[in-house]
Amino acid sequence: NAGVTQTPKFRVLKTGQSMTLLCAQDMNHEYMYWYRQDPGMGLRLIHYSVGEGTTAKGEVPDGYNVSRLKKQNFLLGLESAAPSQTSVYFCASSYVQFSGTDPNTQYFGPGTRLTVL
Amino acid sequence: AQSVTQLGSHVSVSEGALVLLRCNYSSSVPPYLFWYVQYPNQGLQLLLKYTSAATLVKGINGFEAEFKKSETSFHLTKPSAHMSDAAEYFCAVSEGTGGFKTIFGAGTRLFVKA
Repeated sequence: NAGVTQTPKFRVLKTGQSMTLLCAQDMNHEYMYWYRQDPGMGLRLIHYSVGEGTTAKGEVPDGYNVSRLKKQNFLLGLESAAPSQTSVYFCASSYVQFSGTDPNTQYFGPGTRLTVL
Repeated sequence: AQSVTQLGSHVSVSEGALVLLRCNYSSSVPPYLFWYVQYPNQGLQLLLKYTSAATLVKGINGFEAEFKKSETSFHLTKPSAHMSDAAEYFCAVSEGTGGFKTIFGAGTRLFVKA
C-alpha cells in the first residue's frame, strides 16, 4: 500500500497563477482533509470531505477550492495564488468509526511545498 | 470549543536524558488525544493516541503519554532520548467522530544533543 500520496512535491507560482494539488489514498478511507502548515501555527484545516461528492469548509478556506469526484482522490485548487498562500500543504485521510480502537486517527501524505512569488 | 496548548516551541535535551513535551487541552466532551511526530521534510505520523481505554498510553519508539483529566494534560515522555528522536511533535485533540473536529497544537521541536 502506498498510503497517502501527494502531487507535486514542490511548486513555485507567480502571484495570480492557478494550480491544483492532487491527493490520493489507497486505504478506502471515507474522510479526507487538506491542511496548511505554517511556522508556529501547527496545522490548520482548509477543507475536508466526508465522502465522494461532498466537501466542506474548514478553518481557513478562503482562496481555495476542492473537489472529491472519486473516493480515493481529493483535489485542492488555488484559482489566483497570493503570497499569503506560501505554505506546506498536507493531505490526510481517516476511517469513520463510531467506536473501536482507531477513532479519528489521520494518515498524512508527505506534503507539497508551495511558494508564491 | 476544543483547544490545544503545547508549552515550549523548542525543547533541547542531551542524548540519554529524559524527554518531556507538554500538552494541555480543553474539551467540552471526553476527548480523543493524539501525539504525532514529523521528521524533516515528511508528513505527520501517529506516535500514540488516548481513546479512554487506559490513562497511560504507550506508543512507538519508546514514547508514552499519560492522560490526566484533573490537569487537562497529555504530556509526552521518553526515559532516554536518542539522536533519532530529533523531530517536531504535535499534540492534537479530537471530539466525536470525524477528523475534521481535530485541533492540532502549534508543535514542539525537539533537539537532541550528543
